[in-house]
Amino acid sequence: KNEVEQSPQNLTAQEGEFITINCSYSVGISALHWLQQHPGGGIVSLFMLSSGKKKHGRLIATINIQEKHSSLHITASHPRDSAVYICAVRPNTGNQFYFGTGTSLTVIP
Amino acid sequence: KAGVTQTPRYLIKTRGQQVTLSCSPISGHRSVSWYQQTPGQGLQFLFEYFSETQRNKGNFPGRFSGRQFSNSRSEMNVSTLELGDSALYLCASSTGLAGATSSYEQYFGPGTRLTVT
Repeated sequence: KNEVEQSPQNLTAQEGEFITINCSYSVGISALHWLQQHPGGGIVSLFMLSSGKKKHGRLIATINIQEKHSSLHITASHPRDSAVYICAVRPNTGNQFYFGTGTSLTVIP
Repeated sequence: KAGVTQTPRYLIKTRGQQVTLSCSPISGHRSVSWYQQTPGQGLQFLFEYFSETQRNKGNFPGRFSGRQFSNSRSEMNVSTLELGDSALYLCASSTGLAGATSSYEQYFGPGTRLTVT
């Protein structure tokens, strides 16, 4: 049973395209995290959100708590955005961390 | 501020051996979490320490253990290594301990890549 489902698994886009990655989860949460992992393994936290919408540069994250769904949008995509994007949720029991399987994004110049 | 550091970065061990990995959190961070990442299972939560106490634990066998010191540095130990323990082990630090209504941003280290032969 997967507590967190991401789609799509793989995504190829042309530079400049608008990109959306989706995350659905099945548990009550205290927060949802979006992570970025580049080749080589390093993980960077992009967003942590529990309601509404957050924006950082060309990245936007939204969450709908009632529908248990979050989206990560990248506007004007660039080849340096190529990475694996991982959705993670912290259940409101606070005692675990569940991860999606990741979305591998490739942006072609 | 220096980021999260992990040592060693790479490690090769033989089945049956044990291994200890180290994590130094960002200065001032009191929570350290450990994760295992494999191609087959993805990222999985191992455990979380706060103020030298294990607060949360994932679904891993007792061969996986850890501890946290008074300076918040943490170690994890895997005993009786199996081939399936080959993975990237990541630690992350945060300022606080997550609860029912709160979570904290995780700052990840570069990871230790463990190969078991």
